[in-house]
Amino acid sequence: EDKVVQSPLSLVVHEGDTVTLNCSYEVTNFRSLLWYKQEKKAPTFLFMLTSSGIEKKSGRLSSILDKKELFSILNITATQTGDSAIYLCAVEYGNKLVFGAGTILRVKS
Amino acid sequence: EAQVTQNPRYLITVTGKKLTVTCSQNMNHEYMSWYRQDPGLGLRQIYYSMNVEVTDKGDVPEGYKVSRKEKRNFPLILESPSPNQTSLYFCASSLQGYYNSPLHFGNGTRLTVT
Repeated sequence: EDKVVQSPLSLVVHEGDTVTLNCSYEVTNFRSLLWYKQEKKAPTFLFMLTSSGIEKKSGRLSSILDKKELFSILNITATQTGDSAIYLCAVEYGNKLVFGAGTILRVKS
Repeated sequence: EAQVTQNPRYLITVTGKKLTVTCSQNMNHEYMSWYRQDPGLGLRQIYYSMNVEVTDKGDVPEGYKVSRKEKRNFPLILESPSPNQTSLYFCASSLQGYYNSPLHFGNGTRLTVT
């Protein structure tokens, strides 16, 4: 069964657009939710979220967690072609870390 | 430079020929893990290690072996590779498990088994 579901699976936008990526989860003993960006090679860490309602922000990227509704969103404002990547959501629960399938974002110039 | 190093980056082999993918980290991390990445399936954990001489199965351990004899190294061994093990493999490490300690990934090994 799917424990971590990301949507949409893929997305094409134009430079300057704002995008919202979704990650929903269904796990017990939730500990944290993490976002990673994967370009051509290794995933790189973006955010770790453990508490509901507290926005994490880094430049044009921001993320928030809703532990009641069991989801997180990743927002990217004023998108640039360099934001084109796969965005991975991962949920830590118990002693496991499970990744979603990812959202493929393509930003067209 | 702090990093996780995997070798080789690309590997083409034939069914049944034993191979090893090496992974080394220079950050003194306790936790290390192997993932495979397949289209539409995301990253799936193969094996992980919480510390030296401690290894555990992840979600897809069949057909793989690992060892953790030293803190810095965590090789992945395929005793008898099969075509369904064709995939992109990532080694990752973190300071202590993964709670409050994000994973650092290697650059990946693309394996093709014919």
